[in-house]
Amino acid sequence: AQKVTQAQTEISVVEKEDVTLDCVYETRDTTYYLFWYKQPPSGELVFLIRRNSFDEQNEISGRYSWNFQKSTSSFNFTITASQVVDSAVYFCALSGNSNSGYALNFGKGTSLLVTP
Amino acid sequence: KAGVTQTPRYLIKTRGQQVTLSCSPISGHRSVSWYQQTPGQGLQFLFEYFSETQRNKGNFPGRFSGRQFSNSRSEMNVSTLELGDSALYLCASMGSGAPYNEQFFGPGTRLTVL
Repeated sequence: AQKVTQAQTEISVVEKEDVTLDCVYETRDTTYYLFWYKQPPSGELVFLIRRNSFDEQNEISGRYSWNFQKSTSSFNFTITASQVVDSAVYFCALSGNSNSGYALNFGKGTSLLVTP
Repeated sequence: KAGVTQTPRYLIKTRGQQVTLSCSPISGHRSVSWYQQTPGQGLQFLFEYFSETQRNKGNFPGRFSGRQFSNSRSEMNVSTLELGDSALYLCASMGSGAPYNEQFFGPGTRLTVL
């Protein structure tokens, strides 16, 4: 069975602070995919990034960066110099491959509040 | 390219009624998945359709059903509504090219059962 744990329920930071959202996952698949989605108050889930299990290269995209470590089953997400517009709920998700299906298993989400 | 569209956006029903929600995927996408989001259970996978066939199913009772049409549009139906079915229902579409299983979500249908 697949499981995603986001231990941080709520995080509050002041604008321009850096913030890291934690994600730990469990899976028996050898090939799997990890995702981060953002859900602003409007409700729509916005795709941020996808990582394959065989690609541990970390990435920086503007103010966003991701740290994928298979050894600790973690896929953490960092926002540098946070802005008020970053306020949203962030979900980490895991899906399998064509054998186990592509259903997304989501964590409970981390609510990020960035105040001016 | 237009995104995923869902109709209606809001719906109010009473217990015992049935409801049908609609989802139009991104043009060219053949996979449509449905998810239920509630404060208590979070985001849960309902089912996935690909080329008019249900390819995967989550752990929901038989009151929840779906179908997909030849144009890839999908509908989900909930019969005999219960108060606990109040939720945001999200639809996601996925293309078959690389990156293969990137799912794009629609704005959702917020269902309230009274």
